[in-house]
Amino acid sequence: DAKTTQPNSMESNEEEPVHLPCNHSTISGTDYIHWYRQLPSQGPEYVIHGLTSNVNNRMASLAIAEDRKSSTLILHRATLRDAAVYYCILRISGTYKYIFGTGTRLKVLA
Amino acid sequence: NAGVMQNPRHLVRRRGQEARLRCSPMKGHSHVYWYRQLPEEGLKFMVYLQKENIIDESGMPKERFSAEFPKEGPSILRIQQVVRGDSAAYFCASSSGSNGGETQYFGPGTRLLVL
Repeated sequence: DAKTTQPNSMESNEEEPVHLPCNHSTISGTDYIHWYRQLPSQGPEYVIHGLTSNVNNRMASLAIAEDRKSSTLILHRATLRDAAVYYCILRISGTYKYIFGTGTRLKVLA
Repeated sequence: NAGVMQNPRHLVRRRGQEARLRCSPMKGHSHVYWYRQLPEEGLKFMVYLQKENIIDESGMPKERFSAEFPKEGPSILRIQQVVRGDSAAYFCASSSGSNGGETQYFGPGTRLLVL
């Protein structure tokens, strides 16, 4: 199974940018990188996904390394509502399974 | 513009009883996935269904667990003769397809507690 590696936890101050790293050294050429976050007692919420190029949406930006072996989720201005567990997931090409790791628990300080 | 709906949100059962968890996918989605999450862990894939078909049940325990997605109505995850180890959060997700980059959207989950 495709594996991703993320730090267990990170802290950020409110209103500051947050960079959440993810290593996925076993990635293949057509595997997608997905990010979800899970707030307490809720289901995972889609954040962003990408294949090769950097991606932006209203929630975040996704920066993908040139060799695709790592990526970074960027929250441009953290708010208290962004406190959650963030999961970086490899979506293997041609399959549908999401393989969740333990994610990064983001704490946002007021 | 309803998202994925799951009910009940919380379910308490005694050992040996049956648990039935329901999932209604997003409008226009015909692919449903069930995941289980134990405390302090990530989600684990259980089963993938399309209407009236089980496509992949490789993550389902061999006994007591079954899933269906009938032509009409919600998808059902059924756990017979529940044991304490079945206590977990069960999440359903849906998508419009399954072979490309189609995103899975998750419901709020059903939290099962077995006494």
